[in-house]
Amino acid sequence: DAKTTQPTSMDCAEGRAANLPCNHSTISGNEYVYWYRQIHSQGPQYIIHGLKNNETNEMASLIITEDRKSSTLILPHATLRDTAVYYCIVRVMDSSYKLIFGSGTRLLVRP
Amino acid sequence: GAVVSQHPSWVICKSGTSVKIECRSLDFQATTMFWYRQFPKQSLMLMATSNEGSKATYEQGVEKDKFLINHASLTLSTLTVTSAHPEDSSFYICSARDSGTGGEKLFFGSGTQLSVL
Repeated sequence: DAKTTQPTSMDCAEGRAANLPCNHSTISGNEYVYWYRQIHSQGPQYIIHGLKNNETNEMASLIITEDRKSSTLILPHATLRDTAVYYCIVRVMDSSYKLIFGSGTRLLVRP
Repeated sequence: GAVVSQHPSWVICKSGTSVKIECRSLDFQATTMFWYRQFPKQSLMLMATSNEGSKATYEQGVEKDKFLINHASLTLSTLTVTSAHPEDSSFYICSARDSGTGGEKLFFGSGTQLSVL
């Protein structure tokens, strides 16, 4: 699976949009981009995933560049409860199904 | 979303004893489950893939005789840390693939904090 690069930490103000970047310049054509987050001392929570097109759900939006070498997770109106470590993972949809976590971005939402 | 229940949430044991951690998929069947461990301020490290009805597949460097995995049913996988030592103290997390929806998402348990004295 392709490697991802994320900023170590970021912060944003409560109520504002949080834009979390991820670089995956070696991504292959059959690899998906997944985002999970982990709130302190809990298991990771699925946020969103995509292949080529931008995706949106009730939690977030995923913007993938046309060349697929980078993506941005957008939390439109961050709340204090969004403070967590956010993991960007690229993964082939093969029979292994496993997820390999990188170091992630620690997002702090300020009051 | 699908729920994965992990038990216990935390456990303290003496060095040399064995500890069993359970991972259950509550509202879906999971032919494949995964076990991770996480040290403080570090990312999750995949330990093994647990397959229902067959032997687990361990990642490189993980001792299969120390971390016994059993996946006897479509809703339950167990991880047993045998002859635990203080260096085994860690946060253990399981995840499960929802076979019914094609397995695009993995759902995670809430984790088990193991402290070995």
